[in-house]
Amino acid sequence: DAGVIQSPRHEVTEMGQEVTLRCKPISGHDYLFWYRQTMMRGLELLIYFNNNVPIDDSGMPEDRFSAKMPNASFSTLKIQPSEPRDSAVYFCASSFQGYEQYFGPGTRLTVT
Amino acid sequence: AQSVTQLGSHVSVSEGALVLLRCNYSSSVPPYLFWYVQYPNQGLQLLLKYTSAATLVKGINGFEAEFKKSETSFHLTKPSAHMSDAAEYFCAVSESTGRRALTFGSGTRLQVQP
Repeated sequence: DAGVIQSPRHEVTEMGQEVTLRCKPISGHDYLFWYRQTMMRGLELLIYFNNNVPIDDSGMPEDRFSAKMPNASFSTLKIQPSEPRDSAVYFCASSFQGYEQYFGPGTRLTVT
Repeated sequence: AQSVTQLGSHVSVSEGALVLLRCNYSSSVPPYLFWYVQYPNQGLQLLLKYTSAATLVKGINGFEAEFKKSETSFHLTKPSAHMSDAAEYFCAVSESTGRRALTFGSGTRLQVQP
């Protein structure tokens, strides 16, 4: 298996622009997680899905962030409008039954 | 609520020396515990996991960890450090039932001196 695939790997955008991050989980996995990593806050959960249904979005910072999982093989995390404080590395992870999570390589987002 | 404390943000050892990275957890329900390693500009790789079977867990690259309920600890060890072990290590906890999300510690950066 190719593992969890994330795109793009790097994204540089200007404040106010819309940003869409993409994730393809490992085939057969029924859980998908979005995490964010920053120097100040470390690794923190944003949202997770089970069988394409959002289960816990308590980590989503504010209404500017939204996530979707239209099918078992694709998820997006959208930020609109983006702000400099959104600069971080965003990780997608997938899991079978939710315990052993496998992480993608991450998307490094820089908002100027 | 769950939390993880990793003592020591930086640990430096000599090549061939024992590696000990400390992790203490807090959980209101029986936990599952994990250690992940992150190399520069890469994602997180699972080293090992505790899911209520054996309390001494062996992982990849010669690492192991012991779950001690009385001490609420899950320290990571390796008998002999190798230069390639230099990386950042994260301890994480999740609930054994219910919420599946991982709560991470702040990480420990391991340096291995030649």
